[in-house]
This record gives sequence, C-alpha cells and structure tokens, in this order.
Amino acid sequence: NAGVTQTPKFRILKIGQSMTLQCTQDMNHNYMYWYRQDPGMGLKLIYYSVGAGITDKGEVPNGYNVSRSTTEDFPLRLELAAPSQTSVYFCASSYGPSTGNTIYFGEGSWLTVV
Amino acid sequence: AQKVTQAQTEISVVEKEDVTLDCVYETRDTTYYLFWYKQPPSGELVFLIRRNSFDEQNEISGRYSWNFQKSTSSFNFTITASQVVDSAVYFCALSANTNAGKSTFGDGTTLTVKP
Repeated sequence: NAGVTQTPKFRILKIGQSMTLQCTQDMNHNYMYWYRQDPGMGLKLIYYSVGAGITDKGEVPNGYNVSRSTTEDFPLRLELAAPSQTSVYFCASSYGPSTGNTIYFGEGSWLTVV
Repeated sequence: AQKVTQAQTEISVVEKEDVTLDCVYETRDTTYYLFWYKQPPSGELVFLIRRNSFDEQNEISGRYSWNFQKSTSSFNFTITASQVVDSAVYFCALSANTNAGKSTFGDGTTLTVKP
C-alpha cells in the first residue's frame, strides 16, 4: 500500500550544492505536486503537473525545477541550494478536479541547507 | 482567487473537552471542494474529509464532525471529547475546478490537548 513515496527523508546540503528529491506514486494519479512547509507555517505550492510532460509553476518556484516524464514520477531539483530553502518538502498526488481532487501526500523530506 | 482563513493559530484544551476549529473560505467558483487534513507531531499529512459545494449536509465520523455552511463560507471542524492523540496541526483546504487542480491551504491551527 505504497501511495506517494518520496526520498530522501532527511538531507543536509551545503550552500551552493544541488540535489534532487525523488517522488513516485502508484495510484495512477494524473496530478502531482510539490509543496514546501517552513517551520510553523502552512503549505506553499512550488510546482505542479497535470500529466506526463506537463508542468507549471506554483507560488514559490524560484530555485527549483521539475520534470514529469512518466505518470508515476515527479522529481524536484534544487539548484544552488540556499539557506532559504531549508524546509520540509512534500510531494503529493491526486486524480484532479473532475473527481474531487483529494490530495494524498508523501511522508515529507526534511532538508537543511547550511 | 481562492483564499482559506484559519483565524485560530493555536488552541489548547484539556482532555475530554469539545473543540471547534474554524475555517472560512473565499472563491468565485460555484463548484469546489473543501478538505481537512491532520498533521500530527510525526509530520505526515493525513486526509480527513472532503465535501463538495453542492452538499451542505453535516458529517459525523466518530468523535469528529464537520459543519459546512455556504451562507457564511465556513467549513468548521469539531472534535468531541478530545483526546491527547488529537494534538496536531489541522489544515483546511479549498480546491475549485477552475483553478487547474491547485488547492489552497489555510495556515493551519495547532491543537494541543492536555491530559
């Protein structure tokens, strides 16, 4: 019963390093999302995708890139990590608005940039 | 534009008290969905309930109940006889068909239930 799986769970990056957060879902959802949650705050949408090959920016896309080559996978790339990117990152997926758009989240990835 | 307001930043109650978490939303769409999610101290986000804009019936699930009122654009969540395990951050969210599937989340309400 995997659902949405994201890796790694924890990571410490140095300023200027790059990394990719991996995300895969096995629910055949068309829509996938990346959110970030800063300490004590709500969720902010970074990027989302409505299907393979289609991605679009959310509220806070600067410093990130995504790709969606398959329905299952939606990796998030951090280029030139900065301390402001210290956050918890959640990958999520849903069937989309036509079927109620219930979003299912991965367990989160805790990223610290030092 | 969509907006979700959870005016209560933090609530603290003693076990067995009832508590209501408020959620007020804004949207111009006539078709939309409202959600509540729970984020326990372990950090994961757990889906609790979804309501669509055409169904104003209140819902009860065990100790949880939800009151949806379109007239006041509110979707409030009540926990009856609260327990320590209910301590979490609770998020209200809104998804409208015309917003390309993007959901808008409130800033969350941190509920602490003391023994």
